[in-house]
Amino acid sequence: AQTVTQSQPEMSVQEAETVTLSCTYDTSENNYYLFWYKQPPSRQMILVIRQEAYKQQNATENRFSVNFQKAAKSFSLKISDSQLGDTAMYFCAFMYSGGGADGLTFGKGTHLIIQP
Amino acid sequence: DGGITQSPKYLFRKEGQNVTLSCEQNLNHDAMYWYRQDPGQGLRLIYYSQIVNDFQKGDIAEGYSVSREKKESFPLTVTSAQKNPTAFYLCASSRGIADTQYFGPGTRLTVL
Repeated sequence: AQTVTQSQPEMSVQEAETVTLSCTYDTSENNYYLFWYKQPPSRQMILVIRQEAYKQQNATENRFSVNFQKAAKSFSLKISDSQLGDTAMYFCAFMYSGGGADGLTFGKGTHLIIQP
Repeated sequence: DGGITQSPKYLFRKEGQNVTLSCEQNLNHDAMYWYRQDPGQGLRLIYYSQIVNDFQKGDIAEGYSVSREKKESFPLTVTSAQKNPTAFYLCASSRGIADTQYFGPGTRLTVL
């Protein structure tokens, strides 16, 4: 079974700063996907970014980018030019490429607060 | 608009009662999922379905049941056998079992 660890329960930064959220995972699989989801106060779970393990290039979506280190089993999320609307819980998630009974395995989340 | 809807948004149940949570999607996705979220926790998989008339247990299926009679719908029943049902329940769907999952807005279930 896979495990996902987010070691930062809460982080707080000033608006416009850059912030990095950490995620490590443990798996014996070689083919998998990694995700970052955002859960704002509305509690809707929103996909932020996705990374395929076979791709060496780090995924980027506008102000959001990842640092994927496969050998170290590390998958951090960098948010540039942070905005008040980025305040939310952020969850790192793992999925085996074959899908199946494990579905998505989630970390416990990091509560990110963007201060004005 | 394409998306996933869940109803109701809030649900209250007395102990010993069964309740059914609705999940509908119009994304033409084959796979659907139910997750449970408790305070301070990530999501945990209850059940998933790869295709109509098929579903499989996830990590915490005890006390829950599902059906998948239509591609668009994947209702979850929380039975009286579920010892601690108070939680936030999220439904998700994906094109296939190994594709990106998209989530509905969730249902907050409270047992009185």
